[in-house]
Amino acid sequence: DTGVSQDPRHKITKRGQNVTFRCDPISEHNRLYWYRQTLGQGPEFLTYFQNEAQLEKSRLLSDRFSAERPKGSFSTLEIQRTEQGDSAMYLCASSSPGTDYGYTFGSGTRLTVV
Amino acid sequence: KNQVEQSPQSLIILEGKNCTLQCNYTVSPFSNLRWYKQDTGRGPVSLTIMTFSENTKSNGRYTATLDADTKQSSLHITASQLSDSASYICVVSTEAAGNKLTFGGGTRVLVKP
Repeated sequence: DTGVSQDPRHKITKRGQNVTFRCDPISEHNRLYWYRQTLGQGPEFLTYFQNEAQLEKSRLLSDRFSAERPKGSFSTLEIQRTEQGDSAMYLCASSSPGTDYGYTFGSGTRLTVV
Repeated sequence: KNQVEQSPQSLIILEGKNCTLQCNYTVSPFSNLRWYKQDTGRGPVSLTIMTFSENTKSNGRYTATLDADTKQSSLHITASQLSDSASYICVVSTEAAGNKLTFGGGTRVLVKP
C-alpha cells in the first residue's frame, strides 16, 4: 500500500443520476477526508472520518451527498440526483493524528455532469 | 472566517529562472503551514510543512519561509524546470477540527523553455 487510491478516476453522468466514489486510504491511517475542487480553485473541505465515525460535515455537503466509512477502512461518497454544479474533482486524503507529515491525497475522481 | 490568500494567481517564467510565490493567512488557531504542488488532473503532493517555530524549510529547489507574526509565507523556486509547471497551493492546518486543512486558491506556474 503506497498511497491513497480513488476509484474511478473519471466519471461522466447525466443530470439526475446517482454516483458513488470510493477511496482507499493508507492502511495505517485512521483519519479520512473528502474535499471538492473546482477548476482553478483550491480544494474545499467536505467531511472527515476518524475510524468509522463521521466527525464533521461542511455546509457544502448538501442532503444529496452522503459519505460512509463502514469499517473504518475504505470510504464511499455518494451524490444523489446529480446537478451540473456537482461537476468537480473529488479528492480523498488520509492521515494519522499527530503525524501531519503523513497527510496524503489521492489522485481524485473527476466528475462531469452533463 | 479562516482564509488563505495567494498571489499571484498565475505567472509565466523562463526555464532556469527563479520565482517566489506569496501566501497570507488568517487561519486561527494555527498548527502548521504546507505548500503543495498539484499537477493538472492529479491530487496535491506535499512539498514542505512548517510549524509555528520554523521559519524556513527546503525541499530540493523549493524553499518555503514562514513569518508567523505577520501570517505570511512564501515559496521560492530556484532554477525552474519545465516539470515545475503546476499549481502551487498554500495550506494552513488548524489544531482544532481534526486537523482539517484550509486551502488557498493556488498559483498557477507555467515554465517556458
